Amino acid sequence: GENVEQHPSTLSVQEGDSAVIKCTYSDSASNYFPWYKQELGKRPQLIIDIRSNVGEKKDQRIAVTLNKTAKHFSLHITETQPEDSAVYFCAARSGSARQLTFGSGTQLTVLP
Amino acid sequence: DGGITQSPKYLFRKEGQNVTLSCEQNLNHDAMYWYRQDPGQGLRLIYYSQIVNDFQKGDIAEGYSVSREKKESFPLTVTSAQKNPTAFYLCASSPQGGMDEQFFGPGTRLTVL
Repeated sequence: GENVEQHPSTLSVQEGDSAVIKCTYSDSASNYFPWYKQELGKRPQLIIDIRSNVGEKKDQRIAVTLNKTAKHFSLHITETQPEDSAVYFCAARSGSARQLTFGSGTQLTVLP
Repeated sequence: DGGITQSPKYLFRKEGQNVTLSCEQNLNHDAMYWYRQDPGQGLRLIYYSQIVNDFQKGDIAEGYSVSREKKESFPLTVTSAQKNPTAFYLCASSPQGGMDEQFFGPGTRLTVL
């Protein structure tokens, strides 16, 4: 089955700096890659996703890049703010599978 | 935040007891999922269902059971066979048979005393 690895497990940045979180996946047939943000004690919420037919997607301060050859994808957050502090999870869906495989999460802390 | 609900928010159980966690959605989604979340780990899939009266085991199904008698409901039973059940349990649903975004419920925190 699919295996997703996520790095780093913790990340601290100064307010206004950029943050990058990276994930690798094992199944070359994977075609959907969402990113979720989970604030303490709350439910995960989708912040951005990308499908295998595009290499990059942006939404204001958030962007995701996908390298299918290397089987990795990354989340980029620019101009970070304290409210960006949360746990971020990447995930991948393999081929026609109906389930997601999640990475282990990254605790992002934005220091004021 | 509406659309998918879980109850109760907190649940305490004695060892050896079965307990059922509720998950309901009014989004008319076909697919529903149960995940377990432990500190420092990602979301691990317990069971999922793509359609009423059908469900499949996920990566960590041992000690759990589910049913899908109605489209809007997907209850999870944690049985006494689950050796380490203390965790945060998240339910999710997805339209189009699970090919798109998953929407999560607020979660149930289960503690075994």
